Amino acid sequence: QVQLQESGPGLVKPSQTLSLTCTVSGGSISSSSYYWSWIRQPAGKGLDWIGRIYTSGSTNYNPSLKSRVTISVDTSKNQFSLRLSSVTAADTAVYFCARGHYGSGTFWFDPWGQGTLVTVSS
Amino acid sequence: QSVLTQPPSASGTPGQRVTISCSGSSSNIGSNTVNWYQQLPGTAPKLLIYSDNQRPSGVPDRFSGSKSGTSASLAISGLQSEDEADYYCAAWDDTLYGPVFGGGTKLTVL
Repeated sequence: QVQLQESGPGLVKPSQTLSLTCTVSGGSISSSSYYWSWIRQPAGKGLDWIGRIYTSGSTNYNPSLKSRVTISVDTSKNQFSLRLSSVTAADTAVYFCARGHYGSGTFWFDPWGQGTLVTVSS
Repeated sequence: QSVLTQPPSASGTPGQRVTISCSGSSSNIGSNTVNWYQQLPGTAPKLLIYSDNQRPSGVPDRFSGSKSGTSASLAISGLQSEDEADYYCAAWDDTLYGPVFGGGTKLTVL
């Protein structure tokens, strides 16, 4: 079964760029019909979708973050990555990667990675 | 402020049936299907219901989903202590062109 695992620095300084990688195992990231997504959750709060990428490289981002977000995919390594620039304390959250299933009028995430806490602090 | 609206809390005793509501608009629930996720303390969310009322393999049939208009509900029957978790609804939003979530409902088993 497909599993996802996030990796990257747990501490980022304000104004710098947050970089995370999600490694997919148990299946190919190049499989059709799936979108690969990033979602975040500030402590004690709800879930916020950051963006998604298809294996072709096409992306969609949450408009609230679009100017600062880049999601990329490396099919040779079965990984996809998140870069979030100009971070502030408001970007402190647990970051999840997830596989997105897309169909006409429907989109859901399954499975999810375990999540990784990123703290923005000097 | 979440796009989808859920009650912040719900509770029930073992064996009871509880429902959690999720309210949206014509651009999300009204025109697309609803999904539900269960997040146990300290863990990642897990898909519970997709496409309004479909259960992934392994999810007990005690969990069921329904939708009417711009609102949806998650029902849990035969409540068990291990059901104590946060529950989130979600749906694709045609205006945002992305998925939106509810604020989450914390379910307490008394």
